[in-house]
Amino acid sequence: AQKVTQAQTEISVVEKEDVTLDCVYETRDTTYYLFWYKQPPSGELVFLIRRNSFDEQNEISGRYSWNFQKSTSSFNFTITASQVVDSAVYFCALSEAGRRALTFGSGTRLQVQP
Amino acid sequence: DGGITQSPKYLFRKEGQNVTLSCEQNLNHDAMYWYRQDPGQGLRLIYYSQIVNDFQKGDIAEGYSVSREKKESFPLTVTSAQKNPTAFYLCASSSRTGTSGGTDTQYFGPGTRLTVL
Repeated sequence: AQKVTQAQTEISVVEKEDVTLDCVYETRDTTYYLFWYKQPPSGELVFLIRRNSFDEQNEISGRYSWNFQKSTSSFNFTITASQVVDSAVYFCALSEAGRRALTFGSGTRLQVQP
Repeated sequence: DGGITQSPKYLFRKEGQNVTLSCEQNLNHDAMYWYRQDPGQGLRLIYYSQIVNDFQKGDIAEGYSVSREKKESFPLTVTSAQKNPTAFYLCASSSRTGTSGGTDTQYFGPGTRLTVL
């Protein structure tokens, strides 16, 4: 069975600090997909990134970066120079090939203080 | 603009009543999904549909029903059999699996917050 663990329930930082959100996953499949979503106070989930299991290249998009390590089954998300607008709940999710639905972690609430 | 709409945004239900949550998409996506989110928790899959007139149960389907008569629409009915329906409901859609055999990204609507009085 697939499982996603986000051990950090809540993180609070001061603006301009860097912050890393951890995600650890479990799956028996060799082909799977990992996702990060952002849920601002409005409630809608906003897609941030998708990663295939056969592509371990790290990715950077502006202030966001993702570190995918199959050896430790982790897909961590780093926000550099955090801003108040980054305050939200962030979800990591996993999908195995052939199973369309996503398995979500419990989320990490990020509070960025001005 | 392309996107997913859900209505209503807030819904109040008396115990014993059935209610239907609307989900519409104009992204031309084949697959649609319903998730439930409880406070402080992640999303859990209720039902999904890969094609019109076909749908499958997710992890927590008991007390819910769906239909998929049109590609654009995937309404969810919360029946009186659902013992604890108060939650935030999110609808999502995605394209069908591409030629690469991969899983397509799911895009979400704004959600409906259901409260049982």
